[in-house]
Amino acid sequence: KAGVTQTPRYLIKTRGQQVTLSCSPISGHRSVSWYQQTPGQGLQFLFEYFSETQRNKGNFPGRFSGRQFSNSRSEMNVSTLELGDSALYLCASSHGDRDHPPGEQYFGPGTRLTVT
Amino acid sequence: AQKVTQAQTEISVVEKEDVTLDCVYETRDTTYYLFWYKQPPSGELVFLIRRNSFDEQNEISGRYSWNFQKSTSSFNFTITASQVVDSAVYFCALRLGRGSTLGRLYFGRGTQLTVWP
Repeated sequence: KAGVTQTPRYLIKTRGQQVTLSCSPISGHRSVSWYQQTPGQGLQFLFEYFSETQRNKGNFPGRFSGRQFSNSRSEMNVSTLELGDSALYLCASSHGDRDHPPGEQYFGPGTRLTVT
Repeated sequence: AQKVTQAQTEISVVEKEDVTLDCVYETRDTTYYLFWYKQPPSGELVFLIRRNSFDEQNEISGRYSWNFQKSTSSFNFTITASQVVDSAVYFCALRLGRGSTLGRLYFGRGTQLTVWP
C-alpha cells in the first residue's frame, strides 16, 4: 500500500507570493490533516478535511486555506507569504469515519517551505 | 483544553544504555488516544504506538516499551539497549475520541534523543 505523498518536497518563495502544497492520502483514507512545524512553535494543527469538507481548524490566519477533492487528495494554500511562514508542512491521512476507531494518522514526508 | 508536555528537550546517551522519554498529558475527556511518533532527520513522522484511555496495559515491542498511567496522566516511552539508529526527535501526542476535534492531534514539543556510539 502506497504511503502518504506530498509535493513538492522543497519550495523557495519570496514574501508576498502565494504557494500551493499538495497531499495524496493513503488509498481508502478520507481524512487529511495539515500541520505546520517550526523550531519555535513545534507542531501546530492547521486544519482537517474529511469528504471534501473542512471538519476542524486550528488557530491560523485566513491566509492559510485548504481544500479536498473527491478523490481525497488535498491542497493547502498560503497567500501573501511572510518570513514566519517558513516551515515544514506535514500532512497526515487516516480513515476518519465512525466505521473505524480513531486510529493513527500516517504522515507524509513533508514540504519544506522557505520564504525569503 | 488539551495539552501534552514533554519536559525533556534533549537527552544524550551512549549506545546500549536504557533511556526513558517522559510524556504528561492534560484532558478532561474520558475517551482519548495517546501516540508516540519518531521523527528522524529526514522529517517524516513515523508512527510507533497508539493507546486508548481504557487500556492501561503496558506494552513491549522489541526494545521499545510504553508505560501508561492514568493516575499520573503519563505515557512514558523506554528504549532498552539504545542504538545509534534510535537518534531522532520523539513526539508524544493526544487525540480525543469524540467531538469536533476528532481528527486533531495535540503534540508535545518533542524530545531530541542522541545516541552516541
